[in-house]
Amino acid sequence: NAGVMQNPRHLVRRRGQEARLRCSPMKGHSHVYWYRQLPEEGLKFMVYLQKENIIDESGMPKERFSAEFPKEGPSILRIQQVVRGDSAAYFCASSPPSSGVRDTQYFGPGTRLTVL
Amino acid sequence: DQQVKQNSPSLSVQEGRISILNCDYTNSMFDYFLWYKKYPAEGPTFLISISSIKDKNEDGRFTVFLNKSAKHLSLHIVPSQPGDSAVYFCAASARSNTGKLIFGQGTTLQVKP
Repeated sequence: NAGVMQNPRHLVRRRGQEARLRCSPMKGHSHVYWYRQLPEEGLKFMVYLQKENIIDESGMPKERFSAEFPKEGPSILRIQQVVRGDSAAYFCASSPPSSGVRDTQYFGPGTRLTVL
Repeated sequence: DQQVKQNSPSLSVQEGRISILNCDYTNSMFDYFLWYKKYPAEGPTFLISISSIKDKNEDGRFTVFLNKSAKHLSLHIVPSQPGDSAVYFCAASARSNTGKLIFGQGTTLQVKP
């Protein structure tokens, strides 16, 4: 009964490169959320996806960031042309299909992105 | 605009005593509240939640209290154990707002043996 999986756990990129972060939700979960934690801060919502749909991307920076959750495979958070300010821990969370009762989000271990 | 605030960055308590972590919110649309515990280099772990229709929820050593009129909630841990030492995050969501979680800044709890 695996939990939320994220890979890689650590990612180092040079300025201008692309970063791809992957998230596999818990079995049976169809909702995926991405959050970012900057040093010494709380987690900030970025985007909420269901299979093949972006439901809420109000927390995503307008440029360079994109997310997808295809019908098959993990959810991907993609950061193009990374800058030093993108260095952070990126967490994915998943929740089951809504049953009318508020669903708890379960988090993965995170990907720590370092931009040199 | 910090909609969820944890005003105490840190808290230190003796093993066996009660730990009380506090959280305030400003958005009256929030109707579901959660507490997460986080160890360094790990993801947040769900602890306990409470719906706005309740004022108390208990799970073992953990109890969450909600005061809607004051827009305040608290997490009580009794008795505190050294393994409880971690960062605790309060989070809130609104059913009308896609269920995304709004987090506080966190409180670092240290339980001394």
